[in-house]
Amino acid sequence: AQKVTQAQTEISVVEKEDVTLDCVYETRDTTYYLFWYKQPPSGELVFLIRRNSFDEQNEISGRYSWNFQKSTSSFNFTITASQVVDSAVYFCALSEARGTSYGKLTFGQGTILTVHP
Amino acid sequence: DAGVTQSPTHLIKTRGQQVTLRCSPKSGHDTVSWYQQALGQGPQFIFQYYEEEERQRGNFPDRFSGHQFPNYSSELNVNALLLGDSALYLCASSFWDRVTEAFFGQGTRLTVV
Repeated sequence: AQKVTQAQTEISVVEKEDVTLDCVYETRDTTYYLFWYKQPPSGELVFLIRRNSFDEQNEISGRYSWNFQKSTSSFNFTITASQVVDSAVYFCALSEARGTSYGKLTFGQGTILTVHP
Repeated sequence: DAGVTQSPTHLIKTRGQQVTLRCSPKSGHDTVSWYQQALGQGPQFIFQYYEEEERQRGNFPDRFSGHQFPNYSSELNVNALLLGDSALYLCASSFWDRVTEAFFGQGTRLTVV
């Protein structure tokens, strides 16, 4: 069975601080995808990034960066120089890359990020 | 190009009633998945439809059923509502061969009283 754990329930920072959201996952699959989604108060899940289990290259996109470490089953997400508009709930998710559960997303509990001005 | 649209936005029902939620996928998408998100929790997969058939199902009772129409839109039906069914119901659409590239709608907030 797949499991995603986001140990941080809530994080509060002041604008311009850097913040890292932690994600640890469990899966027996050898190939899988990892995701981060953002959920603003409107409710819609906004896709941020997808990584294939074969690709451990870390990525930076603007103020966002991701650190994927297969050895520790972690897929952490960092926002640099946080802004008030970053305030949202962030979800880490996992999906098989093939097989009968391909495309079925298993989500973590979410981390509520509040950025204060 | 409209994204994924869900209706209604909010709904209040009484225990024991039945409810139907609707989802129109993003233009061109042929696959629809439904998720239930209880307050303070992450979304949980209910089921997925492609070619008008249920392709995958999560751990939800038979009270939860769905349908996909020839135009790819979808309905989620819940019978014999329980208080615990109160949640945000999210619809996600994608292409079948790129099912991990899913787009989500804003959800339907269902309250059972």
